[in-house]
Amino acid sequence: DAGITQSPRHKVTETGTPVTLRCHQTENHRYMYWYRQDPGHGLRLIHYSYGVKDTDKGEVSDGYSVSRSKTEDFLLTLESATSSQTSVYFCAIGAGRGGEKLFFGSGTQLSVL
Amino acid sequence: DQQVKQNSPSLSVQEGRISILNCDYTNSMFDYFLWYKKYPAEGPTFLISISSIKDKNEDGRFTVFLNKSAKHLSLHIVPSQPGDSAVYFCAALVQGAQKLVFGQGTRLTINP
Repeated sequence: DAGITQSPRHKVTETGTPVTLRCHQTENHRYMYWYRQDPGHGLRLIHYSYGVKDTDKGEVSDGYSVSRSKTEDFLLTLESATSSQTSVYFCAIGAGRGGEKLFFGSGTQLSVL
Repeated sequence: DQQVKQNSPSLSVQEGRISILNCDYTNSMFDYFLWYKKYPAEGPTFLISISSIKDKNEDGRFTVFLNKSAKHLSLHIVPSQPGDSAVYFCAALVQGAQKLVFGQGTRLTINP
């Protein structure tokens, strides 16, 4: 599993509450990503990071923020969770010569009620 | 705006036969393409990739073909095995841009 750990694996929360998902890598890779997977949409990029404190938005970044204070940790925060954010969230690290090959964690199933 | 499209949500193939999964893209700047395989309750795993300077890449039972003029790529699995039953995602990127764009996925079922 390329040394990627996501926590928690499952989370149920209520609308309006803040939620933080954690991704931890042991591979010392520069690039880290957060994707969400939804039926009919495949995997969509939320945010990514290209180094400590260096992050950028993906295609579905509204309602999400990220932080990367250490190489090994990439946090995804839902400031005020909504039902539309019910999804499976995957963290990935970028390997390969240019970081183009992504290796994914096992995912976090988030349900917002 | 779906830049990478997998128009077949599902595909059923008999064991031992060839499985062909298709993918179309619209962004002519994409220059690197990948296929991922995903089992339930697991993260996607990298399967095979191809650079735009090639039109074919082979790895064991898996071959990816790229037709740049048609903006189309396909994954061939020969022979198909029951363990190949999974969801397959194609993905594309512009090298250096570091943003991998995925298709919607195709669920492949291999029947005994």
